[in-house]
Amino acid sequence: GENVEQHPSTLSVQEGDSAVIKCTYSDSASNYFPWYKQELGKGPQLIIDIRSNVGEKKDQRIAVTLNKTAKHFSLHITETQPEDSAVYFCAASPGGYQKVTFGTGTKLQVIP
Amino acid sequence: ETGVTQTPRHLVMGMTNKKSLKCEQHLGHNAMYWYKQSAKKPLELMFVYSLEERVENNSVPSRFSPECPNSSHLFLHLHTLQPEDSALYLCASSLSWDGEQFFGPGTRLTVL
Repeated sequence: GENVEQHPSTLSVQEGDSAVIKCTYSDSASNYFPWYKQELGKGPQLIIDIRSNVGEKKDQRIAVTLNKTAKHFSLHITETQPEDSAVYFCAASPGGYQKVTFGTGTKLQVIP
Repeated sequence: ETGVTQTPRHLVMGMTNKKSLKCEQHLGHNAMYWYKQSAKKPLELMFVYSLEERVENNSVPSRFSPECPNSSHLFLHLHTLQPEDSALYLCASSLSWDGEQFFGPGTRLTVL
């Protein structure tokens, strides 16, 4: 089955700096890669996703890159703000709701 | 507000108790999911229902029993749980099998 590894497990950055979270996956059939943000006391919320026919996708301060050859994808947050502090999860799926595999999460702390 | 609600938000139960978790979605979605979230582990998919029919059961112990009476409601019945079952239980829904999953806030379960 699919195995998703996520690094780092914790990340502290100064407000205004950039943050990068990296994930690798094992199943070459995976073609959908969502990223979720989970704030304290809430469930995960989708913030951006990318499909395998695209190498990069950007939404304001958030971007995701995908390298299918190397089987890794990354989340980039620029100009970080305190409200970006949360746990971020990557995931990979070959399609079909029962086959989404999540990473272990990265706790991001943005220091004002 | 994600449109997915879960009750109760917190639950403490003994190993011999029977309790139920409730999830309700107001989004008109066709698929609903139960996940288990434990510290330092990836989200674990437990059950998937599509149009009220269970389509996935990821080798979950029989002490967890799901029920989906209609497309808006999902229950997780608990009995004779173990302390290692203590975790955050998340419900999610999606419009289609490969669509974005919307998560509820979760039920924090503690088994004594």
